[in-house]
Amino acid sequence: GNSVTQMEGPVTLSEEAFLTINCTYTATGYPSLFWYVQYPGEGLQLLLKATKADDKGSNKGFEATYRKETTSFHLEKGSVQVSDSAVYFCALLPNAGNNRKLIWGLGTSLAVNP
Amino acid sequence: SAVISQKPSRDICQRGTSLTIQCQVDSQVTMMFWYRQQPGQSLTLIATANQGSEATYESGFVIDKFPISRPNLTFSTLTVSNMSPEDSSIYLCSANLFTGQGLGANVLTFGAGSRLTVL
Repeated sequence: GNSVTQMEGPVTLSEEAFLTINCTYTATGYPSLFWYVQYPGEGLQLLLKATKADDKGSNKGFEATYRKETTSFHLEKGSVQVSDSAVYFCALLPNAGNNRKLIWGLGTSLAVNP
Repeated sequence: SAVISQKPSRDICQRGTSLTIQCQVDSQVTMMFWYRQQPGQSLTLIATANQGSEATYESGFVIDKFPISRPNLTFSTLTVSNMSPEDSSIYLCSANLFTGQGLGANVLTFGAGSRLTVL
């Protein structure tokens, strides 16, 4: 079946450090892949997405590349800020089937210290 | 960009009581989705609320426990009935909306959530 595996948190970094949050998936065919972010006290927001292999999603300095060969969609940012402290969720949407719905990872908490 | 509002944002409830969560979208949508976010677990879809028809429930969720209303294209409610401590969770309302942020149309957008604690 379809599944998403994220690296466990919490991740704690200093400001301006490089961020990687790993996400791997299991799916049939070519799903669409997403990263959502949940800032404290707010709802989940779509951060970026990629809909086909080798696509790179990017937004707010974050990037993730859809790697079919490694079934991965790792989230990266070159220089994190305190305001990036949040919980990050990786998700996939199968591209086939009669009842497509998002499959979610467990979420990775990120804390950035000044 | 479109906004989804939920209330209450949080509540503390007694075992055996029921609580209704309201969700308002500032644009008309065909489907609204209710999720549960339990501590340390991924998001779980409870049901899809369709305007003008019965909600569609996911495996493990039933209408008697989580009755849903969808009276119009901008509003839905989820009731958590006969609550027990195991129902303590964050409940999230969502819909596919146009965000206007370069991420395209039909982006699954969430309300801020309703954090329920059942004693």
